[in-house]
Amino acid sequence: DSGVTQTPKHLITATGQRVTLRCSPRSGDLSVYWYQQSLDQGLQFLIQYYNGEERAKGNILERFSAQQFPDLHSELNLSSLELGDSALYFCASSGTSDTSYNEQFFGPGTRLTVL
Amino acid sequence: AQKVTQAQTEISVVEKEDVTLDCVYETRDTTYYLFWYKQPPSGELVFLIRRNSFDEQNEISGRYSWNFQKSTSSFNFTITASQVVDSAVYFCALSGALPGGFKTIFGAGTRLFVKA
Repeated sequence: DSGVTQTPKHLITATGQRVTLRCSPRSGDLSVYWYQQSLDQGLQFLIQYYNGEERAKGNILERFSAQQFPDLHSELNLSSLELGDSALYFCASSGTSDTSYNEQFFGPGTRLTVL
Repeated sequence: AQKVTQAQTEISVVEKEDVTLDCVYETRDTTYYLFWYKQPPSGELVFLIRRNSFDEQNEISGRYSWNFQKSTSSFNFTITASQVVDSAVYFCALSGALPGGFKTIFGAGTRLFVKA
């Protein structure tokens, strides 16, 4: 158990809908990362937050947004969902550095299915 | 541009065989970090090792060993005397400065099957 929690584990929704994925980092970790894992794209970095501030941005679509709250939990919002958004979404956390040089601890993931 | 290549898509071995997973990376940075992660069938990625660009010492941890060679931009991972529990997808990753901030780029992964 990495100490990172993600809810929900599974999410099934329809095209055009909006969903929110939630992540709680390990105790004491200030950085939260979001990744998307799909069969065709592999594991893709989406975005990183550090202590509430956006720190790095990857291949995140404009339909997607994220935030990190004062209690350090993070939410990833996906809107106007398309079939191609079906994937496993991972959250990871790491220590007190704002760079991604530290090892990351991954949550169990949220499997999103868009029908 | 930064890139991580894991050319082996799938490897199948019989228990107790040794197996090496290849990882080749590209970066223009002088400071960067390399990682290996394991994704067992349960799905959760597990950190295995981190190496910084200034430390080319090889490392051994039990049946696992890592060979970092800057001259060939490779960071290979060897499992000695493989076991069925080693069956998983293994990802090599590179972390460094990119447009948009420090990011971690993952390779496509190598799926390892260890048969009893």
